[in-house]
Amino acid sequence: AQSVTQLDSQVPVFEEAPVELRCNYSSSVSVYLFWYVQYPNQGLQLLLKYLSGSTLVESINGFEAEFNKSQTSFHLRKPSVHISDTAEYFCAVSGSGGYQKVTFGTGTKLQVIP
Amino acid sequence: GAVVSQHPSWVICKSGTSVKIECRSLDFQATTMFWYRQFPKQSLMLMATSNEGSKATYEQGVEKDKFLINHASLTLSTLTVTSAHPEDSSFYICSARDPAGGGGEKLFFGSGTQLSVL
Repeated sequence: AQSVTQLDSQVPVFEEAPVELRCNYSSSVSVYLFWYVQYPNQGLQLLLKYLSGSTLVESINGFEAEFNKSQTSFHLRKPSVHISDTAEYFCAVSGSGGYQKVTFGTGTKLQVIP
Repeated sequence: GAVVSQHPSWVICKSGTSVKIECRSLDFQATTMFWYRQFPKQSLMLMATSNEGSKATYEQGVEKDKFLINHASLTLSTLTVTSAHPEDSSFYICSARDPAGGGGEKLFFGSGTQLSVL
């Protein structure tokens, strides 16, 4: 069984400030980890993923996340946020062997304040 | 990227009526689609896995007679909430898996349907 914990339901941050959205997971098997983003009135979109290899993964719009196996974490960070980053962010985990179910966290609403 | 269209985005209905939600993959053929439900401030909970041409696989605790799923073509899956009651009010979201993919990196999501049962 797998689970994902996103402790922060809402994170307000001023524009151009750094942000970290926390994600912890539990699993008895090797995992793939994901961050999805949902902009207002849109579907979920994959932001970035960790499958294997380098534990630091990056998205095209400046977000990064680091897989920390010992702390079972996959926190999402951005050094300088923009108004357009306002959205809900979901952390997710799946097993790594073939296709497996994806388990989502409860989501974190990032509110960027101008 | 791939597009999944979900319709309607918002529906209000009277208690006892049935509501159908459609999920379409617009630019790829999805042999597998998934239906999720999300209550406020909670995770997306997988309800069922829909496979084209066969019966859906429901997660534990989900009533298959209550939530009818049909996946009659490679681009369309429907979820029908039968005899809806206020406790069925929720946000329903579908996703489709690109068969070229493996894990969650190849899941594409619809924009969701907010169901309100009066």
